[in-house]
Amino acid sequence: NAGVTQTPKFRILKIGQSMTLQCTQDMNHNYMYWYRQDPGMGLKLIYYSVGAGITDKGEVPNGYNVSRSTTEDFPLRLELAAPSQTSVYFCASRYRDQPQHFGDGTRLSIL
Amino acid sequence: QKEVEQNSGPLSVPEGAIASLNCTYSDRGSQSFFWYRQYSGKSPELIMFIYSNGDKEDGRFTAQLNKASQYVSLLIRDSQPSDSATYLCAGGQRGGSNYKLTFGKGTLLTVNP
Repeated sequence: NAGVTQTPKFRILKIGQSMTLQCTQDMNHNYMYWYRQDPGMGLKLIYYSVGAGITDKGEVPNGYNVSRSTTEDFPLRLELAAPSQTSVYFCASRYRDQPQHFGDGTRLSIL
Repeated sequence: QKEVEQNSGPLSVPEGAIASLNCTYSDRGSQSFFWYRQYSGKSPELIMFIYSNGDKEDGRFTAQLNKASQYVSLLIRDSQPSDSATYLCAGGQRGGSNYKLTFGKGTLLTVNP
């Protein structure tokens, strides 16, 4: 049981490039979340999903897109990378009102 | 707007002392509360969760919830240097279709040997 798996762990992008951050969970959790965490700051919700085919915006969705075609996978897409998107990205999953489980994070730098 | 407020710290305690971490929340509809520990450069890991008023104990950790005062706390007894981390408080609703958590910005705890 791997829990929540995020790939890659580190990535450097050039301004204007695009990439997809992968997130997979094997706990059959219906809820999945993407957060970003800037240095010294708390977690900010980017997007979330309550089940396959259903996604919704969080606090800071601009510049990102998501999809949820299966229960297990919840990829986050950056279309035109900007320096302001340099951050640590965490994916999390949850079953109903139980605690969230976090992945190890993806450290993304945009230069 | 739903908010969870925490003192950013740093909170510094000597080894063996009790560390008290506090959190207030604005959404009276919040019914579930979670404490996460986050070491520098790592992801948040769950320490405790509490749904009912009162105290909940797990080893050296005690979570306290007072819904009337909209206040949640985490006590760490016999603090160890390995407890040095940022502690995140989070609150959310139970039931219905809203399963988003609102996180505080975290309190940095330093336990001095």
